[in-house]
Amino acid sequence: KAGVTQTPRYLIKTRGQQVTLSCSPISGHRSVSWYQQTPGQGLQFLFEYFSETQRNKGNFPGRFSGRQFSNSRSEMNVSTLELGDSALYLCASSLEPSGFSYNEQFFGPGTRLTVL
Amino acid sequence: GENVEQHPSTLSVQEGDSAVIKCTYSDSASNYFPWYKQELGKGPQLIIDIRSNVGEKKDQRIAVTLNKTAKHFSLHITETQPEDSAVYFCAAKGKGSSGSARQLTFGSGTQLTVLP
Repeated sequence: KAGVTQTPRYLIKTRGQQVTLSCSPISGHRSVSWYQQTPGQGLQFLFEYFSETQRNKGNFPGRFSGRQFSNSRSEMNVSTLELGDSALYLCASSLEPSGFSYNEQFFGPGTRLTVL
Repeated sequence: GENVEQHPSTLSVQEGDSAVIKCTYSDSASNYFPWYKQELGKGPQLIIDIRSNVGEKKDQRIAVTLNKTAKHFSLHITETQPEDSAVYFCAAKGKGSSGSARQLTFGSGTQLTVLP
């Protein structure tokens, strides 16, 4: 069974631009969560989608948004990029939403975003 | 919301020795505690997890213990090998920062180096 895939793997943008990242979950998984990983802040939860609906959201500004399609694939968008948005963006998929207690999450390889 | 602290931040051991990484959590209602291994250039990989109704779980050279009273859990790796070298993250599933649905909160990570 194929794992979580993320595209692109690397991205370089300049301040003020916007970017869209894509995530394809493991086949049969309906929940997709997004995380930002930086050396200073570690792994921080952005948001979670299940059945095309945002189920949960972390403490990030409105410049960060996402969506999920009927095939469970998800995209996240960052508008008006800032230097501090440089990070590894990770997507994780699971069978059920995080609200289910013992729900294993499986991560993709991430998209490395560099903002110049 | 949940807060997870992880120690140590770096750990070096000789090949064949044991390694122990410790985490504490703040939300007494947290009920799921996974551990992830992240190798350079890759996303975190789930290596073992434990539920709140279990005190200890073992999988070959890896074991995790949970003390709900003290709100801490630990990862134990025995007979370490050079390929165990990676960053290890603990996580706890508790209430989100805004009291929202349960989500994973991660520790800051431990860089484990196994010296040959």
